[in-house]
Amino acid sequence: SQQGEEDPQALSIQEGENATMNCSYKTSINNLQWYRQNSGRGLVHLILIRSNEREKHSGRLRVTLDTSKKSSSLLITASRAADTASYFCATALNDYKLSFGAGTTVTVRA
Amino acid sequence: EPEVTQTPSHQVTQMGQEVILRCVPISNHLYFYWYRQILGQKVEFLVSFYNNEISEKSEIFDDQFSVERPDGSNFTLKIRSTKLEDSAMYFCASNKDNEQFFGPGTRLTVL
Repeated sequence: SQQGEEDPQALSIQEGENATMNCSYKTSINNLQWYRQNSGRGLVHLILIRSNEREKHSGRLRVTLDTSKKSSSLLITASRAADTASYFCATALNDYKLSFGAGTTVTVRA
Repeated sequence: EPEVTQTPSHQVTQMGQEVILRCVPISNHLYFYWYRQILGQKVEFLVSFYNNEISEKSEIFDDQFSVERPDGSNFTLKIRSTKLEDSAMYFCASNKDNEQFFGPGTRLTVL
């Protein structure tokens, strides 16, 4: 299975702090995508990083990808209460499916 | 901004009944997907659909499941005879340039 696995399972931080979560996977991938899910809601696409890219930024988000270690990280800088959610990495071998990890639950305390 | 939409938001059905979950993908997208998420568990891939046929399906997607794109806009998932274990959130997604965009989901409750 190429499923991503996130680490840690849960993270609690103070507003304004940075949050870092990691994702490891097992097989070669075409790209890796990060999603956010608020409790009981849908999946919001955050960022896609391709296998030939090492780092991408989008606003307060920074994603890295190390294909030699089969790992990725998501950094949220200057966190806000609204960032409280579960964050999932999903790996794609092709256009046909994403394989999701179990997610990291982030709680940002005001 | 274009979005994937899904109806209904919540469906309650009796075990053994047929259900149809509906999705309207983003209009210029070419690939369509169904995923499900059992409460508290991972999001699981069910099926992908491209060029009016199934591209890939998981072991979950057995003969009880079918997908259809009956017209140019809708994409449906049918479960012929629901089981208790089919209770989950079902997400539709569509894809262009590798990014998959998800709908808000349909919560299916099988009693």
